[in-house]
Amino acid sequence: NAGVMQNPRHLVRRRGQEARLRCSPMKGHSHVYWYRQLPEEGLKFMVYLQKENIIDESGMPKERFSAEFPKEGPSILRIQQVVRGDSAAYFCASSPRGQGATQQPQHFGDGTRLSIL
Amino acid sequence: GDSVTQMEGPVTLSEEAFLTINCTYTATGYPSLFWYVQYPGEGLQLLLKATKADDKGSNKGFEATYRKETTSFHLEKGSVQVSDSAVYFCALSEISGGYNKLIFGAGTRLAVHP
Repeated sequence: NAGVMQNPRHLVRRRGQEARLRCSPMKGHSHVYWYRQLPEEGLKFMVYLQKENIIDESGMPKERFSAEFPKEGPSILRIQQVVRGDSAAYFCASSPRGQGATQQPQHFGDGTRLSIL
Repeated sequence: GDSVTQMEGPVTLSEEAFLTINCTYTATGYPSLFWYVQYPGEGLQLLLKATKADDKGSNKGFEATYRKETTSFHLEKGSVQVSDSAVYFCALSEISGGYNKLIFGAGTRLAVHP
């Protein structure tokens, strides 16, 4: 009964490169959330997706960031042309489908620590 | 918008001491409230939750009561252990369009010494 799986655990990129972060939700979960945690801060909501749909991307920077959750495969958070300020831990969470999602806690993965050189 | 405020850390305690981590919130509706714990290098684990006023969440000796009148959800434990050393996050679920978006406090680091 695997939990939320994120990979890679650690990712190092040089400025200007692309970063791709992957998240496989828990079995039976079709709601995926991405959060960003800057050093010594709490998590900040970025985007909420259901299969093949972006529901709420109000926390995503308008440029360079994108997210998808295809019909098959993991959810992907993509950061293009990375800058030093993108260094953070990125967490994915999932919750069940159609079970009063407002009452269901989100289950978190162990995160991807992104470092920009 | 909705927000969560936690007491600043670090909180340093001796083993078996009593723990309180304060959390207050502002919300326009009636959110669910959560405490998550993050151990070094790991993701967040749900510690406890409460979904309505006067509910008490409890787990592993930790407790928190949803106080609507004071908009608070303080975390308490009667006797902490070294293994409780971690960062604790208070969060509320901002309900919008049928799904919950978590709003987190900044986190409180707890260090317990033998």
